[in-house]
Amino acid sequence: NAGVTQTPKFQVLKTGQSMTLQCAQDMNHEYMSWYRQDPGMGLRLIHYSVGAGITDQGEVPNGYNVSRSTTEDFPLRLLSAAPSQTSVYFCASTPLDPGIHEQYFGPGTRLTVT
Amino acid sequence: AQSVTQPDIHITVSEGASLELRCNYSYGATPYLFWYVQSPGQGLQLLLKYFSGDTLVQGIKGFEAEFKRSQSSFNLRKPSVHWSDAAEYFCAVGPSGAGSYQLTFGKGTKLSVIP
Repeated sequence: NAGVTQTPKFQVLKTGQSMTLQCAQDMNHEYMSWYRQDPGMGLRLIHYSVGAGITDQGEVPNGYNVSRSTTEDFPLRLLSAAPSQTSVYFCASTPLDPGIHEQYFGPGTRLTVT
Repeated sequence: AQSVTQPDIHITVSEGASLELRCNYSYGATPYLFWYVQSPGQGLQLLLKYFSGDTLVQGIKGFEAEFKRSQSSFNLRKPSVHWSDAAEYFCAVGPSGAGSYQLTFGKGTKLSVIP
């Protein structure tokens, strides 16, 4: 298994540009989520999904959009990038099994907005 | 609402010394508790987790953590630190049982190891 993969690893955007961060997992996990990590802030939840066609907002959803058309993929869209969205973005997945509850993280995407 | 506090932003220890990283949580019931480690430029890796039962849990890489309900704490320990343990450590809390898998993370503790 490749686990959780994210592309790209690095990205530089200009203010106002849009882009999609890709996340895919091959473990058939129902639950997927996006976090952003900023220095001294830990990880903050942006959006999450409990299955195909079902998404919901986390702690910091403004400026981001998600969709979940398949179990495997959970892309994160930045509609109009702002410097405040400069961050490292992590995707994670977990099976909907309370006996497991472990989130598996991707390697991250480092985004800079100028 | 659940929350996690990691009081130490940065800790420096000598190689071979013991380590304790502190974590305090706020949650209405018994939560699920986790410790993750992040090496520079990498994603997060689970070190250990507590769901129920024995309050002392063992994890990977020689780490252990103790759940203390009375103190709302879940401190991470290692008896002898290796240089490769230098990383950032995150404590996280999640709701127990089925139905919600959202984790709340602390702000992290960066560990430096002096050779």
